[in-house]
Amino acid sequence: NAGVTQTPKFQVLKTGQSMTLQCAQDMNHNSMYWYRQDPGMGLRLIYYSASEGTTDKGEVPNGYNVSRLNKREFSLRLESAAPSQTSVYFCAIQTSGGFDEQFFGPGTRLTVL
Amino acid sequence: ILNVEQSPQSLHVQEGDSTNFTCSFPSSNFYALHWYRWETAKSPEALFVMTLNGDEKKKGRISATLNTKEGYSYLYIKGSQPEDSATYLCAHAPNFNKFYFGSGTKLNVKP
Repeated sequence: NAGVTQTPKFQVLKTGQSMTLQCAQDMNHNSMYWYRQDPGMGLRLIYYSASEGTTDKGEVPNGYNVSRLNKREFSLRLESAAPSQTSVYFCAIQTSGGFDEQFFGPGTRLTVL
Repeated sequence: ILNVEQSPQSLHVQEGDSTNFTCSFPSSNFYALHWYRWETAKSPEALFVMTLNGDEKKKGRISATLNTKEGYSYLYIKGSQPEDSATYLCAHAPNFNKFYFGSGTKLNVKP
């Protein structure tokens, strides 16, 4: 989806290293999400942000922190990467209220050695 | 954590076959049920949003039904084509801003 961008697209880390995954939207929506996708497990919610300055935990928040400093950007930080965090990470946005679907970014493929 | 299950896990059909798969979800705390189509190396794309018991939605050869009382939704593809090959995800939304995804049904349509 051209309205949601993620950087980087690929990343390899060593155990214990830190990094931040960036997500930005140009669609002016309030709600933003971070998911991870692992084989056979679908998409699992890590954190979400219903509006600028607010964040909430999802299903699998351990080992991650997030930051929503403005309406446009929502970042996901791994403070000390572990091999269990090897995954594909998707950022998504959703319009406020209603029954609107979520729109996903292109994903970041992260490998932790 | 709410449990959303999809079956079958994978499906192989011939071009022209019709097929269907199931999404089951907790029948309590229902707000909406979403279906997504996910092609390899791409991002999930929304197919349907379903909100009312008995809802039926259709887009071309793809249709979906919803039963909120018993907690299931069916996705149907009529006359499958190779370009329908993808993973089909459902997501249960117990409220407006939280989605719980199933693990998906991977469909492979052979020419």
